[in-house]
Amino acid sequence: NAGVTQTPKFQVLKTGQSMTLQCAQDMNHNSMYWYRQDPGMGLRLIYYSASEGTTDKGEVPNGYNVSRLNKREFSLRLESAAPSQTSVYFCASSEETGLDYGYTFGSGTRLTVV
Amino acid sequence: KNQVEQSPQSLIILEGKNCTLQCNYTVSPFSNLRWYKQDTGRGPVSLTIMTFSENTKSNGRYTATLDADTKQSSLHITASQLSDSASYICVVSASYNTDKLIFGTGTRLQVFP
Repeated sequence: NAGVTQTPKFQVLKTGQSMTLQCAQDMNHNSMYWYRQDPGMGLRLIYYSASEGTTDKGEVPNGYNVSRLNKREFSLRLESAAPSQTSVYFCASSEETGLDYGYTFGSGTRLTVV
Repeated sequence: KNQVEQSPQSLIILEGKNCTLQCNYTVSPFSNLRWYKQDTGRGPVSLTIMTFSENTKSNGRYTATLDADTKQSSLHITASQLSDSASYICVVSASYNTDKLIFGTGTRLQVFP
């Protein structure tokens, strides 16, 4: 019963480098999300996928791309990392995108861009 | 502007004591309110979800209340334990879009022996 698994847990990038954050869930959930958490701020939605084959922008999508590889996996890509993207990134999933469904979060990826 | 404000920012209590965390929101139209617990270095874990018609909901030693008229919620922790040390995040959903979960910045609770 792993729930939502994120890799890597920690990453340091140089400005301009690219990387992909991986997320997989084993709960057969239809919807998946990527959030970032910054000090002194609430979690903010980057992108979400309501179902396999669909993705949509959230509140702060600039500088990111996503891929819903299959029902289980939802990846977040930084094409050219910037110091402003230093943050903790959380992947989450829910049965559906209906607002009464609970979210299950992964343990996060702590990313530092220098 | 949709906002969720939590107080206090941080709180220190002794093991065995009770405490209450506050959440005020200006989100409209309101759909539901959630409380999450986030341990250091971990992702948030759901404690409760309450809709407009629910005034109170419990999960073990955690009891959440909701006053939709005044747009206030509280999370009461009874007989605190060291494992309650964490950040507690209030999240409010607006009822028109899936991406309208508005997160508070959290209350950091530390429980000492």
